[in-house]
Amino acid sequence: DSGVTQTPKHLITATGQRVTLRCSPRSGDLSVYWYQQSLDQGLQFLIQYYNGEERAKGNILERFSAQQFPDLHSELNLSSLELGDSALYFCASSTGTGGIGELFFGEGSRLTVL
Amino acid sequence: GENVEQHPSTLSVQEGDSAVIKCTYSDSASNYFPWYKQELGKRPQLIIDIRSNVGEKKDQRIAVTLNKTAKHFSLHITETQPEDSAVYFCAPSGGSYIPTFGRGTSLIVHP
Repeated sequence: DSGVTQTPKHLITATGQRVTLRCSPRSGDLSVYWYQQSLDQGLQFLIQYYNGEERAKGNILERFSAQQFPDLHSELNLSSLELGDSALYFCASSTGTGGIGELFFGEGSRLTVL
Repeated sequence: GENVEQHPSTLSVQEGDSAVIKCTYSDSASNYFPWYKQELGKRPQLIIDIRSNVGEKKDQRIAVTLNKTAKHFSLHITETQPEDSAVYFCAPSGGSYIPTFGRGTSLIVHP
């Protein structure tokens, strides 16, 4: 158990819909990262938050947004869903902010868009 | 951003053989070099890491070697076992805030 909790584990929805994925980092970790993993793809970085503020942005679509709340949990919002958004979305947390040190991953949220 | 390449993309070995996976990166400012293992249907987990002031690190059957001049680092697994079968990712970082993952190497260990 990594200490990172993600919900829901599985989600099936239709094109055009909106979903919210939730992540609770390990106790004490201030950084939260979101990654997308599609079939036969690596882990594509989406966005990072540190202590409530956006720290870095990757190739995140404009239809996607995220935030980190004062209690440090984070939510990833995906809207106007397309078939190609079907993927495994991982949240990871770490103690620091500079990309140095172990990333602790949650179990992931598997999104299927029909 | 950082360009990360892993080779090979697939590696098939017999149980007991050694396996080597190489990761090449582009950002000379990178100073943290981890390897993650992802078993089928599971989350990635760190198996070994090395920092730029060290050339090699070993932990039982696994080791990581770093060549900062050439900008590559490698994962070495000796005496492979079927439970080593997984996808392995490198994720160098430090030059930016973002650990950039390679596309992964699928290791298959045949009993």
